[in-house]
Amino acid sequence: GAVVSQHPSRVICKSGTSVKIECRSLDFQATTMFWYRQFPKQSLMLMATSNEGSKATYEQGVEKDKFLINHASLTLSTLTVTSAHPEDSSFYICSARDGDRGVYSNQPQHFGDGTRLSIL
Amino acid sequence: RKEVEQDPGPFNVPEGATVAFNCTYSNSASQSFFWYRQDCRKEPKLLMSVYSSGNEDGRFTAQLNRASQYISLLIRDSKLSDSATYLCVVNEAADAGKSTFGDGTTLTVKP
Repeated sequence: GAVVSQHPSRVICKSGTSVKIECRSLDFQATTMFWYRQFPKQSLMLMATSNEGSKATYEQGVEKDKFLINHASLTLSTLTVTSAHPEDSSFYICSARDGDRGVYSNQPQHFGDGTRLSIL
Repeated sequence: RKEVEQDPGPFNVPEGATVAFNCTYSNSASQSFFWYRQDCRKEPKLLMSVYSSGNEDGRFTAQLNRASQYISLLIRDSKLSDSATYLCVVNEAADAGKSTFGDGTTLTVKP
């Protein structure tokens, strides 16, 4: 099945640090990847849609200058949390669909393992 | 009204019980449907797709009712390892198949 890898799985750093999270599709090409955030005991919240070779599409209320997304290749998207503060501490998860298995819009999303970010 | 609604639970059942979750969606043009499970502090994992004719995978049965716009998941002979949050996900036909997630239903299976 489609595999999505996310790295790192855990980050603990000081306030003001910028943190980069990588999301890779290992056995398929992904022109689109999705970035989510999830706070404890809450639902997944879509932050942005990452588009290969073009700008990401951000959901309402998500600061594009705070959460920088780069999708430079068909297998890699990165999310950088710039100047992170304690309120940015959360579980960040990426996902992608394998369009090679059929009609893209019919495919399920496959998630990376997630990155648990803790800002002290 | 949310686009995808689930009963949040929690559902607390004994081992061996049969439990059913329902999910309703508001967009009649939705075309693809899925159930995921999410364990505590982990990423969601695809459990099964839901097909119009209904489908089964071992102890799990998924059904779709397009007329009433709901999806169900039935778990038979519950195991302790089934304890998780179950997410209903709906893909739209338009908007590049935008996915909408339900808030999840929490299941705890007790010995």
